[in-house]
Amino acid sequence: ETGVTQTPRHLVMGMTNKKSLKCEQHLGHNAMYWYKQSAKKPLELMFVYNFKEQTENNSVPSRFSPECPNSSHLFLHLHTLQPEDSALYLCASSQEGGQGDNYGYTFGSGTRLTVV
Amino acid sequence: AQSVTQLDSHVSVSEGTPVLLRCNYSSSYSPSLFWYVQHPNKGLQLLLKYTSAATLVKGINGFEAEFKKSETSFHLTKPSAHMSDAAEYFCVVSEWNDMRFGAGTRLTVKP
Repeated sequence: ETGVTQTPRHLVMGMTNKKSLKCEQHLGHNAMYWYKQSAKKPLELMFVYNFKEQTENNSVPSRFSPECPNSSHLFLHLHTLQPEDSALYLCASSQEGGQGDNYGYTFGSGTRLTVV
Repeated sequence: AQSVTQLDSHVSVSEGTPVLLRCNYSSSYSPSLFWYVQHPNKGLQLLLKYTSAATLVKGINGFEAEFKKSETSFHLTKPSAHMSDAAEYFCVVSEWNDMRFGAGTRLTVKP
């Protein structure tokens, strides 16, 4: 257990469904991230939250909707997805000091999403 | 902006032989550098990190990496591969907490 917990581990959903991915970090970090990992592609940063405020949205389609109610929890709400959205969705957290040392990210185990 | 290039998409070694996974980076500042490992159907686990202290960094599971500024490299090595090392490895460069990931190197270990 890394300190970042993602649920569910696996999710199969139809294109008309609505589902949510959950991420929880127990590390006291103040920044959280959603990444998408598709086969044979580099990791894609989707969303960044610092101190619960969204600071980055890398041109992600509106069918993905993030929510960060507090610094420990992060959700990714999904609706009307496409088969090409099937991927491993990874959550990460970090302690952002603003300047100077970078301690890296702690990743969860991911949610394997399949859209049928 | 910073970037990282992993020079090999796939490396295959025999068990007990050395491992070398190559990474070159580009950065305008003094970057932080990381290696992460990902086993099948798992998240990414931090192997080691360089943050402007000693240039030779030791990580978990016997891995180490050397920061060479003159060559802009941060290659990952291990003296003797084990079957459990088979995984995907990611080199990461970071400036001001902005992490950029390499495309990954898949390590295969043959018996």
